[in-house]
Amino acid sequence: AQSVAQPEDQVNVAEGNPLTVKCTYSVSGNPYLFWYVQYPNRGLQFLLKYITGDNLVKGSYGFEAEFNKSQTSFHLKKPSALVSDSALYFCAVREGPGNTPLVFGKGTRLSVIA
Amino acid sequence: DAGVIQSPRHEVTEMGQEVTLRCKPISGHDYLFWYRQTMMRGLELLIYFNNNVPIDDSGMPEDRFSAKMPNASFSTLKIQPSEPRDSAVYFCASSMMRNQETQYFGPGTRLLVL
Repeated sequence: AQSVAQPEDQVNVAEGNPLTVKCTYSVSGNPYLFWYVQYPNRGLQFLLKYITGDNLVKGSYGFEAEFNKSQTSFHLKKPSALVSDSALYFCAVREGPGNTPLVFGKGTRLSVIA
Repeated sequence: DAGVIQSPRHEVTEMGQEVTLRCKPISGHDYLFWYRQTMMRGLELLIYFNNNVPIDDSGMPEDRFSAKMPNASFSTLKIQPSEPRDSAVYFCASSMMRNQETQYFGPGTRLLVL
């Protein structure tokens, strides 16, 4: 069975500082990995994904994530945080290829303080 | 494109009443997903459809929950009878078969059962 863990419920960072939101996963085969963001009173929005290829994936709003197979991690990063980045971030995984649905983590709330 | 449309956006009902949530996926999308989000349990997949056919409903919590997709542009999630523990935000999401991983979420229906 596939699973994903987000070890931090809350991450606080000062505006302008780099941010990292952590994610580790567990799948039997090749992982397809995703990050989604949820702003208040909104649905989830796709940020980026890793399917294959370069381990560093760039996504929307200046976010990037690094796939690390040996550590089974897919941490989300941004070099310089903005107050507007404050939101709930979800990591998700599925075993690919195939038609199994995504499994989402519990989410990490990011607060960027001015 | 208008995106995934859900109605109603907010629903307040009394215990024992029937609740029907509605979803219109993005035109041309082959997959439709129903999720439930609560503080305690995070984001849970309830059921998903492929080409209007239910594929996996193992996430549906009880027989009180049912979902249908009579055509490619409409789905319903029904709770009968509703209970206070059903209070949550219910999201509908859709995706294209060839890019099934990138799901597009609706704004959600916030359900409160008194």
